[in-house]
Amino acid sequence: DAGVIQSPRHEVTEMGQEVTLRCKPISGHDYLFWYRQTMMRGLELLIYFNNNVPIDDSGMPEDRFSAKMPNASFSTLKIQPSEPRDSAVYFCASGLSGSKGETQYFGPGTRLLVL
Amino acid sequence: AQKITQTQPGMFVQEKEAVTLDCTYDTSDQSYGLFWYKQPSSGEMIFLIYQGSYDEQNATEGRYSLNFQKARKSANLVISASQLGDSAMYFCAMREGNNYGQNFVFGPGTRLSVLP
Repeated sequence: DAGVIQSPRHEVTEMGQEVTLRCKPISGHDYLFWYRQTMMRGLELLIYFNNNVPIDDSGMPEDRFSAKMPNASFSTLKIQPSEPRDSAVYFCASGLSGSKGETQYFGPGTRLLVL
Repeated sequence: AQKITQTQPGMFVQEKEAVTLDCTYDTSDQSYGLFWYKQPSSGEMIFLIYQGSYDEQNATEGRYSLNFQKARKSANLVISASQLGDSAMYFCAMREGNNYGQNFVFGPGTRLSVLP
């Protein structure tokens, strides 16, 4: 079975540009999470969805960040405009409610560099 | 206060030896879950093992086992017969309560190096 798929795997952009990160969760999973990982702050939960509905976006750093989940198999995280401090690895994870531990399964991540 | 504490920033172990990675947690919930993830240098986050707060037996998954001491609020990961491929960052995580997604926090991680 395919795991969580993220694209692109690497992104280099200039300050001020719009960045869109994409995620395809594991088929059948009803939860989707977006995380950001930096050396300084570790892993931070940005937002999560249940059945395509955003449940908690309190981790989204500011209005420049937005996330959508138009259907059960696709989600985007958008940064507009991007800033150098947004440079990080962004992970998408999915999970199935009622499963053992309700474990989250992570995608390979998108490494973002904003110049 | 830190919810998850991993006191060992780095650990070394000889190949084929066992190693214990420490994790302590802080919660007032009675229902919670504890997880360990592995992050190799390639960057992906790999789920290793799960322990529920009501599970009476320690979780085991192949060479991984979780030494769960509820009264001490510790959930140490034991890797038996270390392999060179075990060299990676290891993160302890906790989900508090029954609300999936909420209060899912990660520790700072321990970098394990397996020596040949």
